[in-house]
Amino acid sequence: GAVVSQHPSWVICKSGTSVKIECRSLDFQATTMFWYRQFPKQSLMLMATSNEGSKATYEQGVEKDKFLINHASLTLSTLTVTSAHPEDSSFYICSASSGRGDTEAFFGQGTRLTVV
Amino acid sequence: GESVGLHLPTLSVQEGDNSIINCAYSNSASDYFIWYKQESGKGPQFIIDIRSNMDKRQGQRVTVLLNKTVKHLSLQIAATQPGDSAVYFCAERGTGGFKTIFGAGTRLFVKA
Repeated sequence: GAVVSQHPSWVICKSGTSVKIECRSLDFQATTMFWYRQFPKQSLMLMATSNEGSKATYEQGVEKDKFLINHASLTLSTLTVTSAHPEDSSFYICSASSGRGDTEAFFGQGTRLTVV
Repeated sequence: GESVGLHLPTLSVQEGDNSIINCAYSNSASDYFIWYKQESGKGPQFIIDIRSNMDKRQGQRVTVLLNKTVKHLSLQIAATQPGDSAVYFCAERGTGGFKTIFGAGTRLFVKA
């Protein structure tokens, strides 16, 4: 299957700082990327859908000014958690798709964010 | 609202036995369903998928069954192995859409 890489795998930051997480499709062009967050022992919750070259579509309840998403190229999307607080600590996972509705979405390995 | 849920949060099986993980979904407009396996600290791994125009699909040691009448999805794992221990999620995708919505998850324990 196709490879999606996230960086970093884990990060610890201080409250009030911002953290950027990268999601790259290594061997295909991802017209659509998705960002999820997952709390311990819970399911993946979709945060937003990003299409290359356009603004991201956020799910209800997700603050777009808090979680900035940029999808500037067909192989890279970034999620920036701004002014992070301890409650933002979570496992963030991206997935990428070549864009057709019947196309499998490939997942990154996830980023563990801990805000102290 | 839309939801994809599971009947059992945990499942414990003996090595070599067959496992059945169930999932109920509520969005009748969903036309594509996927099962994922997630190991601790990792992203979801695709196992098998099925379209709404099918009721059964088989892979290597895994079978997915879809019952649209009762909006039920199941994953059967044959000859379960210790390496199958993980959390399993069913997920759905709606007609014409790309976003994948995940169910609650079932943790599978395989006893040696």
